[in-house]
Amino acid sequence: EAEVAQSPRYKITEKSQAVAFWCDPISGHATLYWYRQILGQGPELLVQFQDESVVDDSQLPKDRFSAERLKGVDSTLKIQPAELGDSAMYLCASSSIQNTEAFFGQGTRLTVV
Amino acid sequence: AQRVTQPEKLLSVFKGAPVELKCNYSYSGSPELFWYVQYSRQRLQLLLRHISRESIKGFTADLNKGETSFHLKKPFAQEEDSAMYYCAPRGSGNTPLVFGKGTRLSVIA
Repeated sequence: EAEVAQSPRYKITEKSQAVAFWCDPISGHATLYWYRQILGQGPELLVQFQDESVVDDSQLPKDRFSAERLKGVDSTLKIQPAELGDSAMYLCASSSIQNTEAFFGQGTRLTVV
Repeated sequence: AQRVTQPEKLLSVFKGAPVELKCNYSYSGSPELFWYVQYSRQRLQLLLRHISRESIKGFTADLNKGETSFHLKKPFAQEEDSAMYYCAPRGSGNTPLVFGKGTRLSVIA
């Protein structure tokens, strides 16, 4: 069964360092989402892509966060510089045009020290 | 503003007891409603959506547009139902899911 792949699973970084996460959506899924989930909260959308274009990045802290999906397939989310408050689970999800169900990856747990 | 409320952070029930996880939403237009579940050490996955009107793992959810609620119910809880449950509406078109804060269901043997 096809799954959304994310790496790394865990990342520990010092504050002010740069960190990047990678996501490979289910093949053929045009829509890709990055969510952030702080402990005890539900996932919150950071950015949504349709193919290689950003559809919604209104909640992305653009002074330090960036996201790209250059070829409309896999995607990278970057934080530079990382801050203590960025510690969270970063989830990637994808969906197809035909089916509104979003499929989630295992997530990357980021700890900023 | 789009908002979804899950009033219970933690719900503990005995095995075999009925379960109801509450969800209220404030959304413009006619959103599509979903329940997602996350079992221990597993990824977030779809449990059910209101459009399909299915019963998945014994769970059902009825959309009440008048009360803007989409409560999740199961008549007899099982230990394997212990998990985090998230209510998530989404607007029309290819808009993203908006998640509630989640309810942790604990089924006690």
